[in-house]
This record gives sequence, C-alpha cells and structure tokens, in this order.
Amino acid sequence: DVKVTQSSRYLVKRTGEKVFLECVQDMDHENMFWYRQDPGLGLRLIYFSYDVKMKEKGDIPEGYSVSREKKERFSLILESASTNQTSMYLCASSPILAGEYDEQYFGPGTRLTVT
Amino acid sequence: AQSVSQHNHHVILSEAASLELGCNYSYGGTVNLFWYVQYPGQHLQLLLKYFSGDPLVKGIKGFEAEFIKSKFSFNLRKPSVQWSDTAEYFCAVKGGGFKTIFGAGTRLFVKA
Repeated sequence: DVKVTQSSRYLVKRTGEKVFLECVQDMDHENMFWYRQDPGLGLRLIYFSYDVKMKEKGDIPEGYSVSREKKERFSLILESASTNQTSMYLCASSPILAGEYDEQYFGPGTRLTVT
Repeated sequence: AQSVSQHNHHVILSEAASLELGCNYSYGGTVNLFWYVQYPGQHLQLLLKYFSGDPLVKGIKGFEAEFIKSKFSFNLRKPSVQWSDTAEYFCAVKGGGFKTIFGAGTRLFVKA
C-alpha cells in the first residue's frame, strides 16, 4: 500500500510564526502536491513538485513556499502565518505515468489553526 | 480555465435509496475524470476513474460513474446506499498539464 504521511494531524500556531508542514511518501512517486481543503471550496492546489528541487505554483501560492530536497519528502512552509491560513492541509503523491496509472494518493491531512 | 461543478453540497438519503451525484466540468480537450471519497476521519481515497474506453466506469463498493462527453458530465451513481457510504465525495478533472481540479465536494449522509 502506498503510504503518504504528514508530520502532524493538528497544529496550533500564532500569527507571524513560521510554520513547517512535512510530507513523506514511500512509493517512489515523482509527483507531490500540497492542497488546502476548506468547506465549500473543495481542494485547492498550493504547490506541485514533479522532481527533486523542482516546483510549480498552483492556484493559491501566495503566503506559502515549498521545498523538495529528497524525492520522498515535500515540505510546505508558511513564512509568516496568518489567520486566513487556518485550514486543513493535504499532501498527495502520484506516479509520473498518466492514463490508467493516474491517481493521487493522499495523506491524512494537517489541521492548522492560526490564532 | 478548467472548472468542476458539483450540483449538490449536501445530500441526505435513507439506507437502500438510490444515489446520483452530479458533476460537470469545463475543459475542451481530452480529460481524465475521477471521483474521490473521504470517509469520516479517513484519508481522501480514489473511488473510481475514467481515462479512456468504456464511458461507464465501475469503482469500489458498488459505485459507478458515467462519462457523457457531449454533456461534459461524470455523474456518480449507486443503486442502493448503505449507512457506511456516509462521506464527502469529490469529483475531479485532469486535462492537459499537471493540475487536477477538484469540485467543492458533496457531503452525503445516509440515515440508518
């Protein structure tokens, strides 16, 4: 089974703090993603990485950065947390093959509260 | 720009009722289509997907979906729901490029 793990299930941070969310996958997938999930808005892509040290902005990258130094690990960084970043953060991975192999595997999520 | 619209945000059904969740997308080219499900307290997981061939796709737990290209739709169906189907369901579309676009989700509650 593919496993995608995230460093924390719940996190409470103060406004202005730098926040690190870690994600690790064990299936040697090339692609990794960070989403935020908000009620009524579904999943919105923050950043995507298709290889080590490579990244692409998603739909809502403002206020976030990412790091991928190793293939299995993809980190999301909130440079200066704000209350509007309170959300559920989901990490996902997928193989680079498309077509019938195209599927994303999700982690359990980190519920971040910024006070 | 690609977009995905799910018709219902909340659905309440009794056990054994039939289910149909609507999903429409906007994208002019070839698409891969997905339904993901998130059971309470669990990871988001794939329910079924369409990438080519037979437009009627069967997934896990008795779910199926039909791709109707002319209507840009990929509706999810199950003939008889169970209490354990209570979950949030997301339709998703992937066209050209790396992005998968997710709908807003439909929360299904099945009364025992």
